[in-house]
Amino acid sequence: SYELTQSPSVSVAPGQTATIACGGNDIGSKSVHWYQQKPGQAPVLVVHDESDRPSGIPERFSGSNSANTATLTISRVEAGDEADYYCQVWDSRRDRMVFGGGTKLTVL
Amino acid sequence: EVQLVESGGGLVKPGGSLRLSCATSGFTFSPYRMNWVRQAPGKGLEWVSSISSSSSYIYYADSVKGRFTVSRDNAKNSLYLQMNSLRAEDTAVYYCARDRWHDSSGYIDHWGLGTLVTVSS
Repeated sequence: SYELTQSPSVSVAPGQTATIACGGNDIGSKSVHWYQQKPGQAPVLVVHDESDRPSGIPERFSGSNSANTATLTISRVEAGDEADYYCQVWDSRRDRMVFGGGTKLTVL
Repeated sequence: EVQLVESGGGLVKPGGSLRLSCATSGFTFSPYRMNWVRQAPGKGLEWVSSISSSSSYIYYADSVKGRFTVSRDNAKNSLYLQMNSLRAEDTAVYYCARDRWHDSSGYIDHWGLGTLVTVSS
């Protein structure tokens, strides 16, 4: 079955850039979506279709996707960005939605 | 404003059954594919099931196939999840989630707040 791999944690100082990676076999051929989840809250969509942002999501959030790695980039990180981030694709071979294991972003 | 409100969670013994409901408002329910996604305590997100707008296409995770049944009532703007033969590993917060499906790919653009299901003797 298709799997997505994320590093468990990433740490960054305020004002710096956070890069969160999502690995998958030929993920560059798939549409990748990203969610932010803060403790005790439901997830929130922050990027869809590689690099599109829903309304209300700051331009600081951006995405890219190529070959075997998709990336969520958060520029000028703020304390409020501290959260778990999940990547997601639709596995069309097996007709199922697949989530990465999640990356905990810590703002130092 | 899009709202998804889950209900029906609670404590159930292993082998028992539970039916979750999701009441929706703030949008036209019938054209949208819908999902159930769960999250075990301290763990990541796990997709459970998807159902197309007309219920023609239904998909399940291997972990729940044969035990869970998803359904919807477009007249009542509601989504359901019938859960049978529950196991301890089914303990999780269950989220109702609206899907944006296009070009053979889908993502979730709105989530409910979730309902907690605890399977324990």
